[in-house]
Amino acid sequence: GQNIDQPTEMTATEGAIVQINCTYQTSGFNGLFWYQQHAGEAPTFLSYNVLDGLEEKGRFSSFLSRSKGYSYLLLKELQMKDSASYLCAASDSNYQLIWGAGTKLIIKP
Amino acid sequence: DGGITQSPKYLFRKEGQNVTLSCEQNLNHDAMYWYRQDPGQGLRLIYYSQIVNDFQKGDIAEGYSVSREKKESFPLTVTSAQKNPTAFYLCASSIVQEPYEQYFGPGTRLTVT
Repeated sequence: GQNIDQPTEMTATEGAIVQINCTYQTSGFNGLFWYQQHAGEAPTFLSYNVLDGLEEKGRFSSFLSRSKGYSYLLLKELQMKDSASYLCAASDSNYQLIWGAGTKLIIKP
Repeated sequence: DGGITQSPKYLFRKEGQNVTLSCEQNLNHDAMYWYRQDPGQGLRLIYYSQIVNDFQKGDIAEGYSVSREKKESFPLTVTSAQKNPTAFYLCASSIVQEPYEQYFGPGTRLTVT
C-alpha cells in the first residue's frame, strides 16, 4: 500500500532550528513535496525534491533519500509566523500526490 | 492576479440536501483536483480532471460528483449519498507536466446538520 508518515506535532523556540521528518512508501515515485498550511487556509508550496540531496531555499531546506524513502524539512531562525502545519506529499507513478496527515509546528517565544 | 477561487468560504446545509461547491482558476492549468481534509488525516483525493469533459475518481469518490465543461471550472457536488459530508474541501490545479506542482484555492468549509 501507499503510506506517508510524519510526526503529529512538534514544538520549537523562536530563533531555533527544527527538522520535520517524513517517510514514504508509494507505488512508483516521482518526487516529494512539502507544503505549509496555516489553520483554515490553503496549503502553499514550499519545496520539491526528486533527486537525493539537500535543496536550500532561504530559511527552509528540504532533503531527500530515495533509497531510504525519507525526507526532512529543515526550518532555521524560526519565527512566530512559522507556526503552521507542514504537509509532506509523495508523487506516485501516476503523478498523484499521496499526503501525510501533516505536522503541526508550535513556536514558543 | 492568477489564482484559484472557491466559494463560499463557509457553507451550511441540512442533511439530505445536495450542495455544489465552486472552483474557478485563471492559471490556464489543464489539471484540476478536489480534496477533502479532515482533522488528523492527510488530504484525500475525491476527483481529478486532466482535460475538459474528462475526469477520474479519486480514493473517496462515493457520494460526490463533478463536471468539467470548461477549462477554468471544476464544480463539486456533495450529494445526499455522502455519509459524512462535513469537512474542509480544497480545490487545486496544476499543469500536466513534471513535477505537477499543485496550487490550492482557499477552501470551503462545509457543515451538514
